[in-house]
Amino acid sequence: EPEVTQTPSHQVTQMGQEVILRCVPISNHLYFYWYRQILGQKVEFLVSFYNNEISEKSEIFDDQFSVERPDGSNFTLKIRSTKLEDSAMYFCASTRTGGYETQYFGPGTRLLVL
Amino acid sequence: GNSVTQMEGPVTLSEEAFLTINCTYTATGYPSLFWYVQYPGEGLQLLLKATKADDKGSNKGFEATYRKETTSFHLEKGSVQVSDSAVYFCALYAGSARQLTFGSGTQLTVLP
Repeated sequence: EPEVTQTPSHQVTQMGQEVILRCVPISNHLYFYWYRQILGQKVEFLVSFYNNEISEKSEIFDDQFSVERPDGSNFTLKIRSTKLEDSAMYFCASTRTGGYETQYFGPGTRLLVL
Repeated sequence: GNSVTQMEGPVTLSEEAFLTINCTYTATGYPSLFWYVQYPGEGLQLLLKATKADDKGSNKGFEATYRKETTSFHLEKGSVQVSDSAVYFCALYAGSARQLTFGSGTQLTVLP
């Protein structure tokens, strides 16, 4: 069964460093999402992406964040200058047609900012 | 805005016990409702969903009914197994927001 994959599974970085989290959505999916979950808190929406542009973004998704689909398979989340509070599990998700369709999630990347 | 309130955990049950995890929601419009499960070390997996009022979603012995009158989507299973130990998330998708809104998650531990 097709699945969403994410790399790396864990990343440790120093405050102020840039990180890039990578996702490979399911191959025929067109809508892509990033969510995050700070330890012990809710899963929160960050951004959705379709047709090479951002569709929606939350208040969390400020100028430090960016997303890109650099080729036909990868979908990346970049954090330009990490803060301690960016430490979280980051989930990528995708759907084929968007809307009310089920979002399929990857296993997540656990980011720790020191 | 949209929100999901989920029963706080952790929940510990013995094998073959009955499980209920409560979930209520607030949303504009007519949301779709989901239960996702996260097994240890894994990502979020869809467990079941319901897209309109009175729909019942079911999978792997779990069930949840979309109750518009009580704005609820409680998860139930008649007889839990040790392998059901995981974190369960209730979520909604409302077209106005175009994103999933999650509850806080409920940790379930089933003891043999």
